[in-house]
Amino acid sequence: ETGVTQTPRHLVMGMTNKKSLKCEQHLGHNAMYWYKQSAKKPLELMFVYNFKEQTENNSVPSRFSPECPNSSHLFLHLHTLQPEDSALYLCASSPRSGIDYNEQFFGPGTRLTVL
Amino acid sequence: KNEVEQSPQNLTAQEGEFITINCSYSVGISALHWLQQHPGGGIVSLFMLSSGKKKHGRLIATINIQEKHSSLHITASHPRDSAVYICAVRYSGGSNYKLTFGKGTLLTVNP
Repeated sequence: ETGVTQTPRHLVMGMTNKKSLKCEQHLGHNAMYWYKQSAKKPLELMFVYNFKEQTENNSVPSRFSPECPNSSHLFLHLHTLQPEDSALYLCASSPRSGIDYNEQFFGPGTRLTVL
Repeated sequence: KNEVEQSPQNLTAQEGEFITINCSYSVGISALHWLQQHPGGGIVSLFMLSSGKKKHGRLIATINIQEKHSSLHITASHPRDSAVYICAVRYSGGSNYKLTFGKGTLLTVNP
């Protein structure tokens, strides 16, 4: 499989559940990103990992916990979420962060609904 | 405040029409991206440019750095072009990986 993949594609969870989103890239990239896309709002950057190290946390609540075990995999662990966290969560990767004109490649997203 | 404004927010066209989507931004940038998002969510990068003009098939992207403005043109539009088109910029002096996104333009092309 090529490109950036995300699983699951759809997730419905209660506020007390714990779940994880997975992202995998097959492009040999070293930077990976989590974005949140809420209805009628622009994409919001959540986290950036560069060579497995977190380089950006965009004031994201602690109920979202990222994990990057290697340059190809990125997880977003979810616990005690709120209904307003319902959104499309997009993963992206790029060859490296910190380089001008760096193009990002996006996954298909996980549509999350919090009941 | 660094903002990216897109117009129009919604656009409906008939198949074959020439389409223009506009993007303006507030301060100097190092790069501008045009992205396409189909229903279902996946985002595809169409163009990344810092000056001039790029063309790929029926798509043309232009940027005017002095006017802080970019346009995305679609020639001979087709129903499969129906999608949300998103403009994103990388501001000069900011993080090299951080993009600021517009809200998107929803394009519907009717047969």
